Amino acid sequence: DAGVIQSPRHEVTEMGQEVTLRCKPISGHDYLFWYRQTMMRGLELLIYFNNNVPIDDSGMPEDRFSAKMPNASFSTLKIQPSEPRDSAVYFCASSFIGRAYGYTFGSGTRLTVV
Amino acid sequence: DQQVKQNSPSLSVQEGRISILNCDYTNSMFDYFLWYKKYPAEGPTFLISISSIKDKNEDGRFTVFLNKSAKHLSLHIVPSQPGDSAVYFCAASARGSGNTGKLIFGQGTTLQVKP
Repeated sequence: DAGVIQSPRHEVTEMGQEVTLRCKPISGHDYLFWYRQTMMRGLELLIYFNNNVPIDDSGMPEDRFSAKMPNASFSTLKIQPSEPRDSAVYFCASSFIGRAYGYTFGSGTRLTVV
Repeated sequence: DQQVKQNSPSLSVQEGRISILNCDYTNSMFDYFLWYKKYPAEGPTFLISISSIKDKNEDGRFTVFLNKSAKHLSLHIVPSQPGDSAVYFCAASARGSGNTGKLIFGQGTTLQVKP
């Protein structure tokens, strides 16, 4: 298994542009999580899905952020319009039956908004 | 409202000595705790966990201690090795309340083990 795959690895964009981050979870995992890593807050949970359905999006910072999971093998996190304060590393993770110890993280997308 | 707090951003220890990383939490509903380790340019990986029914769990050089009354847990690494240099995240989950394993993470502590 290739693990959780995120793309792109790095993204540099200008303020105001739309940014789309992509994630392919591990096959058979039924939970998918999007986290953001910042120095101040560490790893923040943004949103998570169970069987492709969004369960908790209370961590999504603003309406500029949206996430979708159209099928079991793909999810996107979109920021529109992007702002410099959105610069961070965004991680996707998946797990089976939501087992906490079973989280597998992707390598992350480093987003820089200039 | 940071529910999981790691108050030490960094820690430096000598190879062979003990590393102690600390974590505090505020939500009394948390009943499962974990430590994740993260190397640069990689995602976090699971290291060790403990259920709230225990106060200690050991796995090789790694031991996690839980003090429920103080809402505090710690990770001990003995002996520390240069390869242990990484960012360590404490995480907590409230599985018993119907939550399905959503993890709340702390800010992370960067450990440097000097040869």
